[in-house]
Amino acid sequence: DIQMTQSPTSLSASVGDRVTITCRASQDTSTYLNWYQQQPGKAPKLLIFDASHLGTGVPSRFSGSGSGTDFTFTINSLQPEDFATYYCQQYDNLPYTFGQGTTLEIK
Amino acid sequence: EVQLVESGGGLVRPGGSLRLSCAASGFTFSTYSMSWVRQAPGKGLEWVSSISSSSGDIYYVDSVKGRFTIFRDNAKNSLYLQMNSLRVEDTAVFYCARGTLGTWHNWGQGTLVTVSS
Repeated sequence: DIQMTQSPTSLSASVGDRVTITCRASQDTSTYLNWYQQQPGKAPKLLIFDASHLGTGVPSRFSGSGSGTDFTFTINSLQPEDFATYYCQQYDNLPYTFGQGTTLEIK
Repeated sequence: EVQLVESGGGLVRPGGSLRLSCAASGFTFSTYSMSWVRQAPGKGLEWVSSISSSSGDIYYVDSVKGRFTIFRDNAKNSLYLQMNSLRVEDTAVFYCARGTLGTWHNWGQGTLVTVSS
């Protein structure tokens, strides 16, 4: 199975900040990498697919990049509604696997 | 508007069975692959199973193979997960999700399955 490792696992930031989360795969996943946001008690929401493509209706302050084993997710100018948990997920190989999550908290 | 509504969760004893359902609306169900993803309390997300639009391709995570069965009824716009031989470690919120086999653009609200004696 491909192991996905996110860093950091938690992060404190302020409204207006720029934050970056990294995701490393245990083997090459090309660009078969998605990013999801999950608010407490809610279902996940797809933000970025294919490593860098913005999901439907997702604000442009969210972005993703990378290929192979190293990926980056960035939020520019944090908004209050962005404080949530973020997961990367690979779909290059079965089983599809997620990172452990990064919780973004208000400083 | 795409809607996915799960049902069928509840409390079950270890070794018991449960069938989850996902009612889909707002899109042409028969043309989309569907999946189940679960989340144990306080834990991360785990993909469970996926089924292609025509049911020709079905996949499971190893931990549920032989115990869980995914199937769909395109005439009823519904997805199912038959869960047998349930274990305590299967306790989770189960989400129904729509998309390609590995990318899920839409999710239901989830249904909680609790396996406990």
